[in-house]
Amino acid sequence: DAGVIQSPRHEVTEMGQEVTLRCKPISGHNSLFWYRQTMMRGLELLIYFNNNVPIDDSGMPEDRFSAKMPNASFSTLKIQPSEPRDSAVYFCASSLQGFPDTQYFGPGTRLTVL
Amino acid sequence: KQEVTQIPAALSVPEGENLVLNCSFTDSAIYNLQWFRQDPGKGLTSLLLIQSSQREQTSGRLNASLDKSSGRSTLYIAASQPGDSATYLCAVKDAGNNRKLIWGLGTSLAVNP
Repeated sequence: DAGVIQSPRHEVTEMGQEVTLRCKPISGHNSLFWYRQTMMRGLELLIYFNNNVPIDDSGMPEDRFSAKMPNASFSTLKIQPSEPRDSAVYFCASSLQGFPDTQYFGPGTRLTVL
Repeated sequence: KQEVTQIPAALSVPEGENLVLNCSFTDSAIYNLQWFRQDPGKGLTSLLLIQSSQREQTSGRLNASLDKSSGRSTLYIAASQPGDSATYLCAVKDAGNNRKLIWGLGTSLAVNP
């Protein structure tokens, strides 16, 4: 298996622009997680899907952030409008059965908002 | 509220040394604890997972211990190699919250040839 796939790997955009991050989980995994990592705050869980349904989005910073999982093999995290403080590395992870199982991480998307 | 702390934030050792990375957590009511490795520009790789009922787990040159009562875990790396250079993170899953991992900020390890 190719593992968790994320695109793009790097994104540089200007403040106010819409940003869409993409994730393809490992085939057969039914849980998907979006994380954000910064030097100051470390890893933060943004949202967690189980069987394509959002279970916990309490980590989503504000209404500018939204996430979807239209099917078992694809998820998006959208930021609209983007702000410089959104600059971070965004990771997607998947697991077989949610939190009890080991999560497998993608390589991340490094987002820079100017 | 569970908090996870990792000390030191950075560590530099010569090749061949045995070393210990520390992770502490404030609430002993945990479900499990995991150690991850993160290489620059890459995602995280799970190294070891210790269930709350276990005291240690081993994988190759790595040994992780768990002392719930004192709120501590250590990751022991034997005979360190330059390829071990990475950031090591620990994450705790609370017993009362099946939905989130609480992460430390990591220890950045450099093993010098």
